[in-house]
Amino acid sequence: EDQVTQSPEALRLQEGESSSLNCSYTVSGLRGLFWYRQDPGKGPEFLFTLYSAGEEKEKERLKATLTKKESFLHITAPKPEDSATYLCAVPTNSGYALNFGKGTSLLVTP
Amino acid sequence: DTAVSQTPKYLVTQMGNDKSIKCEQNLGHDTMYWYKQDSKKFLKIMFSYNNKELIINETVPNRFSPKSPDKAHLNLHINSLELGDSAVYFCASSPGTGGGQPQHFGDGTRLSIL
Repeated sequence: EDQVTQSPEALRLQEGESSSLNCSYTVSGLRGLFWYRQDPGKGPEFLFTLYSAGEEKEKERLKATLTKKESFLHITAPKPEDSATYLCAVPTNSGYALNFGKGTSLLVTP
Repeated sequence: DTAVSQTPKYLVTQMGNDKSIKCEQNLGHDTMYWYKQDSKKFLKIMFSYNNKELIINETVPNRFSPKSPDKAHLNLHINSLELGDSAVYFCASSPGTGGGQPQHFGDGTRLSIL
Protein backbone atom coordinates (compact mmCIF):
# COMPACT_ATOMS: atom_id res chain seq x y z
CA GLU A 1 0.00 0.00 0.00
CA ASP A 2 1.31 3.41 -1.00
CA GLN A 3 2.08 5.63 1.93
CA VAL A 4 3.37 8.57 -0.07
CA THR A 5 1.90 9.94 -3.30
CA GLN A 6 3.42 12.89 -5.13
CA SER A 7 1.87 15.06 -7.81
CA PRO A 8 2.35 16.10 -10.46
CA GLU A 9 4.82 13.56 -11.84
CA ALA A 10 6.41 16.26 -13.96
CA LEU A 11 6.17 20.03 -14.00
CA ARG A 12 7.57 22.53 -16.45
CA LEU A 13 7.77 26.18 -15.39
CA GLN A 14 9.04 29.35 -16.93
CA GLU A 15 11.69 31.13 -14.90
CA GLY A 16 9.89 33.27 -12.33
CA GLU A 17 6.63 31.30 -12.55
CA SER A 18 5.76 30.19 -9.00
CA SER A 19 4.05 26.86 -8.31
CA SER A 20 3.59 24.09 -5.74
CA LEU A 21 4.37 20.41 -5.55
CA ASN A 22 2.13 18.10 -3.55
CA CYS A 23 2.90 15.15 -1.30
CA SER A 24 0.00 13.19 0.21
CA TYR A 25 0.69 10.66 2.92
CA THR A 26 -1.31 7.97 4.71
CA VAL A 27 0.45 7.11 7.93
CA SER A 28 -0.70 7.27 11.51
CA GLY A 29 1.43 8.99 14.06
CA LEU A 30 3.60 10.95 11.68
CA ARG A 31 7.18 11.07 12.93
CA GLY A 32 8.40 13.47 10.32
CA LEU A 33 7.95 14.24 6.66
CA PHE A 34 11.08 14.77 4.60
CA TRP A 35 11.74 16.66 1.39
CA TYR A 36 14.74 15.88 -0.76
CA ARG A 37 16.11 17.22 -4.02
CA GLN A 38 17.77 14.84 -6.48
CA ASP A 39 19.86 16.00 -9.41
CA PRO A 40 20.69 13.63 -12.30
CA GLY A 41 23.50 11.26 -11.38
CA LYS A 42 23.45 12.33 -7.73
CA GLY A 43 21.98 11.07 -4.50
CA PRO A 44 19.01 12.71 -2.81
CA GLU A 45 19.98 15.91 -0.99
CA PHE A 46 18.13 16.63 2.23
CA LEU A 47 16.07 19.83 2.21
CA PHE A 48 13.56 19.89 5.07
CA THR A 49 11.94 17.90 7.85
CA LEU A 50 8.43 18.81 9.03
CA TYR A 51 7.06 17.27 12.18
CA SER A 52 3.62 18.70 12.88
CA ALA A 53 0.63 20.16 11.06
CA GLY A 54 1.00 23.89 10.54
CA GLU A 55 4.76 23.79 10.48
CA GLU A 56 6.57 25.66 7.72
CA LYS A 57 10.22 25.76 6.69
CA GLU A 58 11.98 27.91 4.12
CA LYS A 59 15.21 27.78 2.20
CA GLU A 60 15.90 30.34 -0.50
CA ARG A 61 13.03 30.05 -3.03
CA LEU A 62 11.56 26.92 -1.41
CA LYS A 63 8.96 26.75 1.33
CA ALA A 64 7.59 23.49 2.71
CA THR A 65 4.30 23.30 4.58
CA LEU A 66 2.51 20.45 6.34
CA THR A 67 -1.12 19.56 7.06
CA LYS A 68 -2.51 16.39 8.60
CA LYS A 69 -2.79 14.72 5.21
CA GLU A 70 -0.33 16.39 2.88
CA SER A 71 2.67 18.57 2.42
CA PHE A 72 3.36 21.21 -0.17
CA LEU A 73 6.66 22.41 -1.54
CA HIS A 74 6.13 25.94 -2.79
CA ILE A 75 8.63 27.29 -5.28
CA THR A 76 8.65 31.06 -5.58
CA ALA A 77 10.12 32.71 -8.69
CA PRO A 78 12.07 29.59 -9.67
CA LYS A 79 15.33 29.71 -11.57
CA PRO A 80 16.73 27.13 -14.01
CA GLU A 81 19.05 25.85 -11.28
CA ASP A 82 15.97 24.71 -9.33
CA SER A 83 15.41 22.05 -12.00
CA ALA A 84 15.63 18.66 -10.30
CA THR A 85 13.47 15.83 -9.02
CA TYR A 86 11.88 16.59 -5.66
CA LEU A 87 11.20 13.62 -3.42
CA CYS A 88 8.97 13.36 -0.39
CA ALA A 89 9.39 10.64 2.25
CA VAL A 90 7.96 9.45 5.56
CA PRO A 91 9.39 6.95 8.04
CA THR A 92 8.35 3.34 7.60
CA ASN A 93 6.12 1.73 10.21
CA SER A 94 9.21 0.37 11.94
CA GLY A 95 10.80 3.82 11.87
CA TYR A 96 14.05 2.34 10.65
CA ALA A 97 13.90 3.56 7.05
CA LEU A 98 12.09 5.98 4.74
CA ASN A 99 9.23 5.36 2.32
CA PHE A 100 9.70 7.60 -0.67
CA GLY A 101 7.19 8.92 -3.14
CA LYS A 102 7.94 8.62 -6.83
CA GLY A 103 9.00 12.23 -7.05
CA THR A 104 8.12 15.29 -9.10
CA SER A 105 10.48 16.10 -11.94
CA LEU A 106 10.72 19.89 -12.18
CA LEU A 107 12.09 21.68 -15.23
CA VAL A 108 12.50 25.45 -15.11
CA THR A 109 13.19 27.07 -18.46
CA PRO A 110 14.79 30.50 -18.97
CA ASP B 1 34.83 16.40 2.62
CA THR B 2 32.37 13.91 1.16
CA ALA B 3 29.94 12.84 3.88
CA VAL B 4 28.74 9.54 2.38
CA SER B 5 30.92 8.06 -0.32
CA GLN B 6 30.33 4.98 -2.45
CA THR B 7 32.63 3.06 -4.73
CA PRO B 8 32.52 2.31 -7.53
CA LYS B 9 30.29 4.92 -9.17
CA TYR B 10 29.68 2.67 -12.16
CA LEU B 11 29.71 -1.11 -12.32
CA VAL B 12 29.17 -3.00 -15.57
CA THR B 13 29.29 -6.77 -15.39
CA GLN B 14 27.81 -9.94 -16.78
CA MET B 15 24.97 -12.06 -15.48
CA GLY B 16 26.10 -14.65 -12.97
CA ASN B 17 29.06 -12.67 -11.65
CA ASP B 18 29.58 -11.63 -8.03
CA LYS B 19 30.28 -7.98 -7.19
CA SER B 20 30.64 -5.68 -4.19
CA ILE B 21 29.84 -2.04 -3.54
CA LYS B 22 31.51 -0.15 -0.71
CA CYS B 23 30.13 2.68 1.37
CA GLU B 24 31.76 4.90 3.97
CA GLN B 25 30.38 7.80 5.99
CA ASN B 26 32.38 10.38 7.94
CA LEU B 27 29.42 11.96 9.73
CA GLY B 28 29.76 9.91 12.89
CA HIS B 29 26.30 8.43 12.34
CA ASP B 30 25.14 5.22 14.00
CA THR B 31 22.79 3.99 11.29
CA MET B 32 23.45 3.13 7.66
CA TYR B 33 21.19 2.02 4.84
CA TRP B 34 21.10 0.58 1.35
CA TYR B 35 18.39 1.72 -1.05
CA LYS B 36 17.68 0.60 -4.61
CA GLN B 37 16.45 3.05 -7.25
CA ASP B 38 14.90 1.33 -10.23
CA SER B 39 14.53 2.52 -13.81
CA LYS B 40 11.41 4.45 -12.85
CA LYS B 41 13.44 6.35 -10.25
CA PHE B 42 11.57 4.77 -7.35
CA LEU B 43 13.73 4.56 -4.21
CA LYS B 44 13.16 1.52 -2.02
CA ILE B 45 14.83 0.45 1.22
CA MET B 46 16.82 -2.77 1.14
CA PHE B 47 18.74 -2.93 4.41
CA SER B 48 19.29 -0.90 7.54
CA TYR B 49 22.15 -1.32 10.01
CA ASN B 50 22.49 0.25 13.43
CA ASN B 51 25.83 0.06 15.22
CA LYS B 52 26.95 -2.73 12.86
CA GLU B 53 23.81 -4.81 13.47
CA LEU B 54 21.17 -5.57 10.85
CA ILE B 55 17.78 -4.11 11.79
CA ILE B 56 15.92 -4.20 8.47
CA ASN B 57 15.96 -6.66 5.60
CA GLU B 58 13.13 -5.73 3.27
CA THR B 59 12.44 -9.00 1.45
CA VAL B 60 15.63 -8.74 -0.51
CA PRO B 61 16.88 -11.96 -2.18
CA ASN B 62 19.58 -13.64 -0.15
CA ARG B 63 21.95 -13.15 -3.07
CA PHE B 64 22.38 -9.70 -1.51
CA SER B 65 24.51 -9.72 1.62
CA PRO B 66 25.36 -6.53 3.47
CA LYS B 67 28.31 -6.35 5.82
CA SER B 68 29.21 -3.66 8.32
CA PRO B 69 32.79 -4.01 9.58
CA ASP B 70 32.36 -0.88 11.71
CA LYS B 71 29.88 1.95 12.21
CA ALA B 72 31.37 4.01 9.40
CA HIS B 73 31.20 1.34 6.70
CA LEU B 74 28.43 -0.68 5.10
CA ASN B 75 29.28 -2.80 2.10
CA LEU B 76 26.94 -4.68 -0.21
CA HIS B 77 27.93 -7.94 -1.83
CA ILE B 78 25.77 -9.40 -4.59
CA ASN B 79 26.10 -12.99 -5.75
CA SER B 80 24.98 -14.47 -9.06
CA LEU B 81 23.91 -11.17 -10.58
CA GLU B 82 20.68 -11.16 -12.59
CA LEU B 83 19.38 -8.77 -15.24
CA GLY B 84 16.79 -7.45 -12.79
CA ASP B 85 19.56 -6.28 -10.46
CA SER B 86 20.36 -3.44 -12.86
CA ALA B 87 19.61 -0.27 -10.91
CA VAL B 88 21.25 2.52 -8.97
CA TYR B 89 22.16 1.55 -5.42
CA PHE B 90 22.35 4.28 -2.80
CA CYS B 91 23.98 4.19 0.58
CA ALA B 92 22.72 6.52 3.29
CA SER B 93 23.33 7.26 6.95
CA SER B 94 21.51 8.94 9.83
CA PRO B 95 22.35 9.83 13.43
CA GLY B 96 20.06 7.15 14.84
CA THR B 97 17.10 4.93 14.12
CA GLY B 98 14.35 7.27 15.29
CA GLY B 99 11.73 7.95 12.65
CA GLY B 100 12.39 11.68 12.62
CA GLN B 101 16.06 11.50 11.65
CA PRO B 102 16.98 12.84 8.20
CA GLN B 103 19.13 10.52 6.13
CA HIS B 104 22.12 11.63 4.10
CA PHE B 105 22.81 9.89 0.82
CA GLY B 106 25.82 9.04 -1.26
CA ASP B 107 25.82 9.66 -5.01
CA GLY B 108 24.95 6.09 -5.89
CA THR B 109 26.45 3.16 -7.75
CA ARG B 110 24.95 2.49 -11.16
CA LEU B 111 24.96 -1.26 -11.72
CA SER B 112 24.42 -2.53 -15.25
CA ILE B 113 24.10 -6.23 -15.97
CA LEU B 114 24.87 -7.35 -19.50
